[in-house]
Amino acid sequence: GQQLNQSPQSMFIQEGEDVSMNCTSSSIFNTWLWYKQDPGEGPVLLIALYKAGELTSNGRLTAQFGITRKDSFLNISASIPSDVGIYFCAGQLGTGGSYIPTFGRGTSLIVHP
Amino acid sequence: NAGVTQTPKFQVLKTGQSMTLQCAQDMNHEYMSWYRQDPGMGLRLIHYSVGAGITDQGEVPNGYNVSRSTTEDFPLRLLSAAPSQTSVYFCASGRGGGFDGYTFGSGTRLTVV
Repeated sequence: GQQLNQSPQSMFIQEGEDVSMNCTSSSIFNTWLWYKQDPGEGPVLLIALYKAGELTSNGRLTAQFGITRKDSFLNISASIPSDVGIYFCAGQLGTGGSYIPTFGRGTSLIVHP
Repeated sequence: NAGVTQTPKFQVLKTGQSMTLQCAQDMNHEYMSWYRQDPGMGLRLIHYSVGAGITDQGEVPNGYNVSRSTTEDFPLRLLSAAPSQTSVYFCASGRGGGFDGYTFGSGTRLTVV
């Protein structure tokens, strides 16, 4: 099956710092999704990207759909303690009825006050 | 709307016991999936359904059964629990074509002793 490589695996940062994480794939996707999972909860969709080269923001979060369609990036600016959690990328083909997303292994973010 | 509801939230089973994890959604979503989450492994797809009466296997289907008799419900059955099935289980649902990401339940934490 398709593999998503998400990095870094974990990040320990100070409050106020910017964060960058990325996801790469061995094959193309037509949709990239970024989720956040708070401790003890299910993942929640943050940003969805539908077009190669697309750059989308949601508050302090900015995500990009890579031009090759094999990668995506998520940036968090001016981190705050509530940014703590696990961030997952997911890719989706969306063709031939294949709307089942493939998830990366997650980036665990810890923010020190 | 309740979204995606999973029950129970916590469960302890003895090896060899069987049980059913319940999942219900009230958003009239066509797609429903079950994932398991283990430390460092991300979200791995167990089974999925693209509509009532249609199910298919995901990445790690062994030891699990599913059925989709209605649009709303997608139960996951453990046939004979094993310690390797100790995990956190998430149910998720989403729309068909023009898919814009899954909505996740809050999870079931299962321990098999």
